[in-house]
Amino acid sequence: GAGVSQSPSNKVTEKGKDVELRCDPISGHTALYWYRQSLGQGLEFLIYFQGNSAPDKSGLPSDRFSAERTGGSVSTLTIQRTQQEDSAVYLCASSLGSGTGFYGYTFGSGTRLTVV
Amino acid sequence: GNSVTQMEGPVTLSEEAFLTINCTYTATGYPSLFWYVQYPGEGLQLLLKATKADDKGSNKGFEATYRKETTSFHLEKGSVQVSDSAVYFCALRVGAGNMLTFGGGTRLMVKP
Repeated sequence: GAGVSQSPSNKVTEKGKDVELRCDPISGHTALYWYRQSLGQGLEFLIYFQGNSAPDKSGLPSDRFSAERTGGSVSTLTIQRTQQEDSAVYLCASSLGSGTGFYGYTFGSGTRLTVV
Repeated sequence: GNSVTQMEGPVTLSEEAFLTINCTYTATGYPSLFWYVQYPGEGLQLLLKATKADDKGSNKGFEATYRKETTSFHLEKGSVQVSDSAVYFCALRVGAGNMLTFGGGTRLMVKP
């Protein structure tokens, strides 16, 4: 598509429920990144994909968080047994590559998750 | 490790005022530096970048100079407009990979 698409744009869930957040990157972008933006905080790196594999999962805050990417395209971030501290805006970005040299990121508009 | 520190906002200015948003960094190697902007309801987009010391990045009237001696990359604009109201993020990238480390963001509000 023309840009990075994230869905849903807003999600309100009850504590303890599981949620799935979706990211549809720009066609042809091989690298995909998930970040979390909490109130008053910067962008916290969560996980990065090159193709369908995730060389760096170091930012996932706990084992309740997982992500996958299929077909080198769409990615899903899943949060199990949500807690109130999971409330944040989850941002996805994609880029042409991730090797030597910098490939600019294109960000989606994010999913605002509120856990009540 | 790598980190980016920005001045806390919100920064509130009148139209045509001079803008400075401070950004300092720590890095384990020789970083490239970036400013991203997030307009209301939109995704982050790259505003400008600099890849080596003393480089000046510029775009849309904004400028930032890579200062290695002070590990800074302050964002400036001589005359802000209401349309510049947004959140600004300073970021760095170190090494051959493509990972960005972001600062906390600074919200700018420009009043007519």
